[in-house]
Amino acid sequence: GQSLEQPSEVTAVEGAIVQINCTYQTSGFYGLSWYQQHDGGAPTFLSYNALDGLEETGRFSSFLSRSDSYGYLLLQELQMKDSASYFCAVFTGGGNKLTFGTGTQLKVEL
Amino acid sequence: DTAVSQTPKYLVTQMGNDKSIKCEQNLGHDTMYWYKQDSKKFLKIMFSYNNKELIINETVPNRFSPKSPDKAHLNLHINSLELGDSAVYFCASSQDGALPDTQYFGPGTRLTVL
Repeated sequence: GQSLEQPSEVTAVEGAIVQINCTYQTSGFYGLSWYQQHDGGAPTFLSYNALDGLEETGRFSSFLSRSDSYGYLLLQELQMKDSASYFCAVFTGGGNKLTFGTGTQLKVEL
Repeated sequence: DTAVSQTPKYLVTQMGNDKSIKCEQNLGHDTMYWYKQDSKKFLKIMFSYNNKELIINETVPNRFSPKSPDKAHLNLHINSLELGDSAVYFCASSQDGALPDTQYFGPGTRLTVL
């Protein structure tokens, strides 16, 4: 089976940097994605890592280590609007199948 | 222009009823999905269709039946609704069904079974 672990909650102040970790155990692995979901909203794609290393997209970066079955999402210059749930998700093949983690609730405070 | 749309947005119904949720995407994608998100925000895939063919069918009660009349539409019909079916159901689409690809989610349908 598949399992993905993330912290349930993270709190940080505006302007700070926060890292959300994700460890996974899967049978078959094609890549790690991150999605953001605001309360009452839909999940929206943030990033995708298929290979080891860091991918940067504006204030957000994502890292993957396949040998450690580990990844993280780094959010810089936090803004209030970044308060949301963040999900890591792994592609395990079989028709673009995404298995989501349990999500991390990020609260950004003043 | 809405990329992935779902109707209805809210659905409140009694146990035992049958209901449908509709999904449409105007992105020209080949693959569509249904996900269920429970009250703890756990998001789990239910079904996936690629060009109207079922490619992912997770362990879902057979009361749930997806139907894809064409590659732009994927509907979900639920028979004999139960309390445990209460959740938010998201439709999603992606260009490719065989390779990892960004999935675009609809706004969700909040189903409440009384």
